Amino acid sequence: AQTIHQWPVAEIKAVGSPLSLGCTIKGKSSPNLYWYWQATGGTLQQLFYSITVGQVESVVQLNLSASRPKDDQFILSTEKLLLSHSGFYLCAWSPGEGSNERLFFGHGTKLSVL
Amino acid sequence: AQSVTQPDARVTVSEGASLQLRCKYSYFGTPYLFWYVQYPRQGLQLLLKYYPGDPVVQGVNGFEAEFSKSNSSFHLRKASVHWSDWAVYFCAVTSTGGYKVVFGSGTRLLVSP
Repeated sequence: AQTIHQWPVAEIKAVGSPLSLGCTIKGKSSPNLYWYWQATGGTLQQLFYSITVGQVESVVQLNLSASRPKDDQFILSTEKLLLSHSGFYLCAWSPGEGSNERLFFGHGTKLSVL
Repeated sequence: AQSVTQPDARVTVSEGASLQLRCKYSYFGTPYLFWYVQYPRQGLQLLLKYYPGDPVVQGVNGFEAEFSKSNSSFHLRKASVHWSDWAVYFCAVTSTGGYKVVFGSGTRLLVSP
């Protein structure tokens, strides 16, 4: 069975500090990977997606970057956090056989920027 | 551009009553539509998905949805709501040829005793 693990579960960070969030998918080769951001009580905004190792596409510009160093790993990062980065970050994967498949979500990371 | 509108930010239903959560979409190409549910502090879980075919789709836990091309709608229904259905429900759309999945703003379902 496939599993998705996000880390950390929660972070409290200072404005201007760096950030790195991670996501690992086990049990599925070559998945499509996605990062979403959710403001408190808000909708999900797609940030990035990746269909293969080393290739990441940006959907919106929020002073964040993403990388896919391995087939099963997706990293979200920034060198300088802003207050507006606070929220809930969700990693997701889909089977990778098309662009119209369901998403499998991780449990998310709650980020508080102070 | 693809978009999803969920006009009701909050819906309150009595336990045992029927439910309809509304979703309107716009898209280019063939739409693939989804309903997801989010429980507090968790990721989203799939309730059901629509791929071109039968307009009425059955999902988990007694949920169903009906696709209407003429109304650009994909409303979610349940015949009898349970207290455990208390959650936020998201409608989403994607289409062939891209990897962008667009979500609506969500509808918070409250279940009263």
